[in-house]
Amino acid sequence: GAGVSQSPSNKVTEKGKDVELRCDPISGHTALYWYRQSLGQGLEFLIYFQGNSAPDKSGLPSDRFSAERTGGSVSTLTIQRTQQEDSAVYLCASSFLDRAYGYTFGSGTRLTVV
Amino acid sequence: AQSVTQPDIHITVSEGASLELRCNYSYGATPYLFWYVQSPGQGLQLLLKYFSGDTLVQGIKGFEAEFKRSQSSFNLRKPSVHWSDAAEYFCAVGSQIRAGNMLTFGGGTRLMVKP
Repeated sequence: GAGVSQSPSNKVTEKGKDVELRCDPISGHTALYWYRQSLGQGLEFLIYFQGNSAPDKSGLPSDRFSAERTGGSVSTLTIQRTQQEDSAVYLCASSFLDRAYGYTFGSGTRLTVV
Repeated sequence: AQSVTQPDIHITVSEGASLELRCNYSYGATPYLFWYVQSPGQGLQLLLKYFSGDTLVQGIKGFEAEFKRSQSSFNLRKPSVHWSDAAEYFCAVGSQIRAGNMLTFGGGTRLMVKP
């Protein structure tokens, strides 16, 4: 597609429930990144994919967080047993595998855990 | 490890006034540097980037930034601010990890514009 698409744009969930956040990157972008932006905070790196593999999972905050990417395209970030501290905006970005290229970001998913 | 510091958390300027947002980075090699802008409820949009060559780079929306290696800085400037420039601005440095393209972001500077 023309841009990075994320869905849903907003998600309200009850504490303890699982949620899935979806990211559809720009066609041809081999790298995909997930970041988290909590209220008043900067961007916290979560995970990045090169193709379908995730060489760097170092940013995942706990084992309740997982992500996968299929077909070198769509990625899903799953949060199990959500907690209130998981409330944040989850941003996805894609790029070519070259640090000369910045990211193209999606508009994010705002997750609220009540 | 690379890091980015944006010393000013909030800045307020009057419409029509000039603007400079500060960014300092720490990186062991030649950095690739970026500025992004985030309007409320939106994702981040790339304003400009520096790889090499001319140290003064032009971006969209009338913004420019100057890379100063001696000061490890990449400050963003605009000669005349418009009310629509009110947003949060993020500086980032690019590195490579395992052939990936990792951007490390600063904490952001929130710009408010007074009429």
